[in-house]
Amino acid sequence: AQSVTQLDSHVSVSEGTPVLLRCNYSSSYSPSLFWYVQHPNKGLQLLLKYTSAATLVKGINGFEAEFKKSETSFHLTKPSAHMSDAAEYFCVVSEQTGANNLFFGTGTRLTVIP
Amino acid sequence: NAGVTQTPKFQVLKTGQSMTLQCAQDMNHEYMSWYRQDPGMGLRLIHYSVGAGITDQGEVPNGYNVSRSTTEDFPLRLLSAAPSQTSVYFCASSYSGSGIPYNEQFFGPGTRLTVL
Repeated sequence: AQSVTQLDSHVSVSEGTPVLLRCNYSSSYSPSLFWYVQHPNKGLQLLLKYTSAATLVKGINGFEAEFKKSETSFHLTKPSAHMSDAAEYFCVVSEQTGANNLFFGTGTRLTVIP
Repeated sequence: NAGVTQTPKFQVLKTGQSMTLQCAQDMNHEYMSWYRQDPGMGLRLIHYSVGAGITDQGEVPNGYNVSRSTTEDFPLRLLSAAPSQTSVYFCASSYSGSGIPYNEQFFGPGTRLTVL
C-alpha cells in the first residue's frame, strides 16, 4: 500500500532564507512521487515529479526535491524563500498498478515572514 | 482548451438533499477522479474512472455515486447530503495506462460544499 507522511504541518521561514519541507513515503512498488502546491482558495498545481529517472528533480519556481530510496524520503527544498511561496504544499505518491490514483500527505503550510 | 472545469463553485445544502457536482474535461483524458479536501487531512480519493463506462471506488466512497457515460464528463452525486460531507471537492483528469510513465493529473478549481 502507498502512503506519505509530511513531518511538519506548519513551517515558517524568513524571506530570503532556505525552505525545507519534509516527506517520507511508503510504497510496495517503485513509487512515483510528486509535490503539489495550493495557494489560498485556489486549485492544485504540480511543482515537480519523480518517476524513476534522475533522483534530483527540479521543478517550477526554483523548487527541487531529492529522492532517497534508502531513507524513503522526498524532501522539497528551495534556496531562498519568496513571499509568493506562502501556500500549502502536498507530498503525493502515485499508485503504479494501472489506475492513476494519487495518495496525498496531510499537507505543510508554509509561511514566509517579510 | 478549458482544461478541467467544475460547477458549481459554491453550494449550500440542507441535510437530506441530493445534488450533482459537475466535472468536465476537454483534453480527451481517459482517467478522471474525484477527491475531497478536509482540513488537516489532505485530499482523499472518492471515486475514479479509467474510461467511459468504467468506475471504481476510492478511499472514501460512502454517500457518493458516479457514472461515466462519456469521456468528457464525470459527475459526482450526493444521494442524501450529510454535514460530514461538508468539504471542498476537486475533480482531476489525466491520460492513463499501466506500464507507462506517470501522466500528470490536472485538477479543476474545486467546489466548496456546505451541508447544514
